[in-house]
Amino acid sequence: ETGVTQSPTHLIKTRGQQVTLRCSSQSGHNTVSWYQQALGQGPQFIFQYYREEENGRGNFPPRFSGLQFPNYSSELNVNALELDDSALYLCASSLDLTGGRDNEQFFGPGTRLTVL
Amino acid sequence: DAKTTQPPSMDCAEGRAANLPCNHSTISGNEYVYWYRQIHSQGPQYIIHGLKNNETNEMASLIITEDRKSSTLILPHATLRDTAVYYCIVRYSGNTPLVFGKGTRLSVIA
Repeated sequence: ETGVTQSPTHLIKTRGQQVTLRCSSQSGHNTVSWYQQALGQGPQFIFQYYREEENGRGNFPPRFSGLQFPNYSSELNVNALELDDSALYLCASSLDLTGGRDNEQFFGPGTRLTVL
Repeated sequence: DAKTTQPPSMDCAEGRAANLPCNHSTISGNEYVYWYRQIHSQGPQYIIHGLKNNETNEMASLIITEDRKSSTLILPHATLRDTAVYYCIVRYSGNTPLVFGKGTRLSVIA
């Protein structure tokens, strides 16, 4: 069973640029959630994808967008980068079971984005 | 906003039990208590979760008070590798997002 992987591990961009971060889900998982973690803070929920559809969104502007592919891997895209977008971006995969049973989210190692 | 309150930091001697408290006085009847930890610069790691009953797994034990307004995560024999930020989260069942607070920074000291 492979765990959650993310790429790249580190990235440096300048203000105004666009960035794409990638996540491969744990084998058998069909749901991906993305989180942003600023230095010294807990992770903050960005959005979640289930079966290629956005399935919930946190308090982030539309320039944060995502995709989920048929193999359940996912991308996070951020347009018009701002200095405050510098953070660790985490993705977490889980298995959405019918009937609303509780489930765990398993996190990848994150991508550290620095915006200059 | 997070619905939990945790002390910002704690120390524990290596080999001793680490008891991490969490208050969640506004928890609703069908919300679970989850614990995650985050070792420096890594992704959060799931530890354990429970609804009403105490739970134990290979990593830790979770003790939930009868009124469910607080809980304690117990690491029975802390090691230096347990140094991390520990997050207590209340969450409905299903695929609801995790709402993280600032957590407790546990330092295990040799």
